[in-house]
Amino acid sequence: EVQLVESGGVVVQPGGSLRLSCAASGFTFDDYPMHWVRQTPGKSLEWVSLITWDGVSTFYADSVKGRFTISRDNSKNSLYLDMNSLRVEDTALYYCAKELRVSLGDGRGYFLSYFHHWGQGTLVTVSS
Amino acid sequence: EIVLTQSPATLSLSPGERATLSCRASQSVRSSLAWYQQRPGQAPRLLIYDASSRATGIPARFSGSGSGTDFTLTISSLEPEDFAVYYCQQRGSWPALTFGGGTKVEIK
Repeated sequence: EVQLVESGGVVVQPGGSLRLSCAASGFTFDDYPMHWVRQTPGKSLEWVSLITWDGVSTFYADSVKGRFTISRDNSKNSLYLDMNSLRVEDTALYYCAKELRVSLGDGRGYFLSYFHHWGQGTLVTVSS
Repeated sequence: EIVLTQSPATLSLSPGERATLSCRASQSVRSSLAWYQQRPGQAPRLLIYDASSRATGIPARFSGSGSGTDFTLTISSLEPEDFAVYYCQQRGSWPALTFGGGTKVEIK
């Protein structure tokens, strides 16, 4: 069974920093691109960041570019999000999410940037 | 950024009725659109990808259609567990992925 367990969410002051972690199990972690997605209280979802399976390439939403850094440690089956210069508008429930892999049979497949499995989320509150 | 607009914001229906949800993109995303269901207190669940393909384990009463800028999620006959919020998401402008604002399907 796929499991994604986020941690690290706390209350932090504007301008502060935080590291979120996501522990993955139940699948071959280093095969998969991984994402962070956030959900503001009572509002919709916002994609935050993507990292390729090998950690070589990373991508960010404009709203967090230059402030957040995504990384992974495949030896620990773990995904991270380093958050700096936090703003009140970064307050949200942060999910890690695993990409969809479409199987072609015979062990072959390809990835699509849809979110097939999600963690339960970790709450980040930015407030003075 | 591609903006996804979902309508209606709220859909009030009874169990057994048919639900039709709309998602409109500000520019073409081809068929690169997914639908998610989110129940209260839970993470979203992938229902449909690439506009019309059901994800593993999703019941056949859920179907998706559309391409370009106009997409529809249809629930053929609402079950009690289907009352939830539904979101669309596009990957047509990868890596800039975006979600719609959601449609709440509530019990009438």
